[in-house]
Amino acid sequence: DQQVKQNSPSLSVQEGRISILNCDYTNSMFDYFLWYKKYPAEGPTFLISISSIKDKNEDGRFTVFLNKSAKHLSLHIVPSQPGDSAVYFCAASALGAGSYQLTFGKGTKLSVIP
Amino acid sequence: DAGITQSPRHKVTETGTPVTLRCHQTENHRYMYWYRQDPGHGLRLIHYSYGVKDTDKGEVSDGYSVSRSKTEDFLLTLESATSSQTSVYFCAIRVQGAYGYTFGSGTRLTVV
Repeated sequence: DQQVKQNSPSLSVQEGRISILNCDYTNSMFDYFLWYKKYPAEGPTFLISISSIKDKNEDGRFTVFLNKSAKHLSLHIVPSQPGDSAVYFCAASALGAGSYQLTFGKGTKLSVIP
Repeated sequence: DAGITQSPRHKVTETGTPVTLRCHQTENHRYMYWYRQDPGHGLRLIHYSYGVKDTDKGEVSDGYSVSRSKTEDFLLTLESATSSQTSVYFCAIRVQGAYGYTFGSGTRLTVV
């Protein structure tokens, strides 16, 4: 059973526009969420995170929104740049349950078209 | 920089042969992880370690074993490689005080 779901395998966006990547989770114990970015032939790198006590976290062009009642989070990139083209993974952990283990989604490949 | 390196970066091996991948860290972090990445599956946890000689299974541990005889090294062994183990393998560490992981650059393994 997949506990973290990224239902869009790919997304194409024009440069300068907003990119919205979505993630759903099923485990109600998850209370900490992260987004990772991965370029080809490199390891994933941490992008932004959010705790379940918040509903929004912003870092420059990147904002993560969390809707706990819907068990849904989204990553907004504004404005999108060609260098943002990568695979984005959503991940979750249950810190309150003492687990630092991350469960990842399958990833969404973002292509930003110049 | 968390100082994590994986070796080798690329390897081609034959079905039925044993293979060992190495993950090395330079900063004595306690938690280390092995993931595999496959198209359509994302990142899946194979095994993890929470200290020297302390390891546990992840989601896709069948066919894999691990060892951690010292803090800085976490080894992943495929006892008898199969074509289904062709994948990109990532090692990760959890930096003290952080909730996320830092990943290595990966090992691309091809089993022919």
